[in-house]
Amino acid sequence: DADVTQTPRNRITKTGKRIMLECSQTKGHDRMYWYRQDPGLGLRLIYYSFDVKDINKGEISDGYSVSRQAQAKFSLSLESAIPNQTALYFCATSDPGQGNEQYFGPGTRLTVT
Amino acid sequence: AQSVAQPEDQVNVAEGNPLTVKCTYSVSGNPYLFWYVQYPNRGLQFLLKYITGDNLVKGSYGFEAEFNKSQTSFHLKKPSALVSDSALYFCAVRDGLTGGGNKLTFGTGTQLKVEL
Repeated sequence: DADVTQTPRNRITKTGKRIMLECSQTKGHDRMYWYRQDPGLGLRLIYYSFDVKDINKGEISDGYSVSRQAQAKFSLSLESAIPNQTALYFCATSDPGQGNEQYFGPGTRLTVT
Repeated sequence: AQSVAQPEDQVNVAEGNPLTVKCTYSVSGNPYLFWYVQYPNRGLQFLLKYITGDNLVKGSYGFEAEFNKSQTSFHLKKPSALVSDSALYFCAVRDGLTGGGNKLTFGTGTQLKVEL
């Protein structure tokens, strides 16, 4: 987990506020991902990036945006937070290749009141 | 579209007994299958994967999984459970036909509880 770090680890914010979650990795991987985890729903993909110039929407991208500032950094933004975005957010990285596993950060617990 | 099903929300096992956590999948092409474990307040940790070859895959912490193509299953197993194995387990699949992205589809997770 230390190879993939996320900040902040916990955040409480109010409805309508803009918030940014940050992810950094030292694994040298090109591919980075943002997921959210909700109880009983597993992990769902929000956005993913193949490299700095390649960003793609996942299955639940509405209400979110991302920025790939460098190979090692991938940020997730909630432009105007709403309560149903309360969740656990994970960043992950991987090497290219169909069979390569993903490595996850420790997660950010976000609460929107 | 690819999908994963973990039919049990929770599995309870006595320490020392064998454990099985079930997973079935649906893909169009050849499946790439993964198991991850999540301990409280931690991120997901990779346990093992099946890409090709031997249907029995061995992974970390004494876990193994058996790929069964005819039953489209990839059940996680351990011969002798430990209390420290108590955690949330996720199965994930990637369809070998889809190009690029290495996108995984995760199951909803199975909570494993190992009791003394």
